[in-house]
Amino acid sequence: SAVISQKPSRDICQRGTSLTIQCQVDSQVTMMFWYRQQPGQSLTLIATANQGSEATYESGFVIDKFPISRPNLTFSTLTVSNMSPEDSSIYLCSVVGPSGRVGGELFFGEGSRLTVL
Amino acid sequence: KNEVEQSPQNLTAQEGEFITINCSYSVGISALHWLQQHPGGGIVSLFMLSSGKKKHGRLIATINIQEKHSSLHITASHPRDSAVYICAATGNQFYFGTGTSLTVIP
Repeated sequence: SAVISQKPSRDICQRGTSLTIQCQVDSQVTMMFWYRQQPGQSLTLIATANQGSEATYESGFVIDKFPISRPNLTFSTLTVSNMSPEDSSIYLCSVVGPSGRVGGELFFGEGSRLTVL
Repeated sequence: KNEVEQSPQNLTAQEGEFITINCSYSVGISALHWLQQHPGGGIVSLFMLSSGKKKHGRLIATINIQEKHSSLHITASHPRDSAVYICAATGNQFYFGTGTSLTVIP
């Protein structure tokens, strides 16, 4: 199994500011993902965080708005830039393990609940 | 149309009742996951299935590959089971259902 520590767990931010969310995994994992869950909605994949290269973004998400870092196989950050109230969501880090294949078990962080005023 | 459909969307049950949540999918998959999300937002993986049935405590998950359908059953439900249950299918990518919000009343 994989244990994921995600922080902050929640934050209240002002419009126009940026917030960085951290995700730490207790083991090396190949596949790491960032999701957004808007109020009352299911999970939407933002991007796949790739170690040593740029993240792969899904349609509707761009690097300027959601820059992602992945310096090693156990850590990643997601920044929500120039925030607006529409960015108020839960942001979740997820990994696939231990096999690392897409069909492997899913593990999630505790989520970061972001409110933008 | 969503690749993964869940029903019901909301469910209220009395403590002790037997609960069933359904999930239908339209894509080819290598695995089907049942996830539990508590009010704080954290998500826990309950089951990963590729065939048949799995049981863990009071929770049972089944999958019918031919019918592209899975069910999550909770026996002797308890208020602490109150959460959102999410079905997720993994093929060449991940597809998530919209979740079933379960409330178990004492």
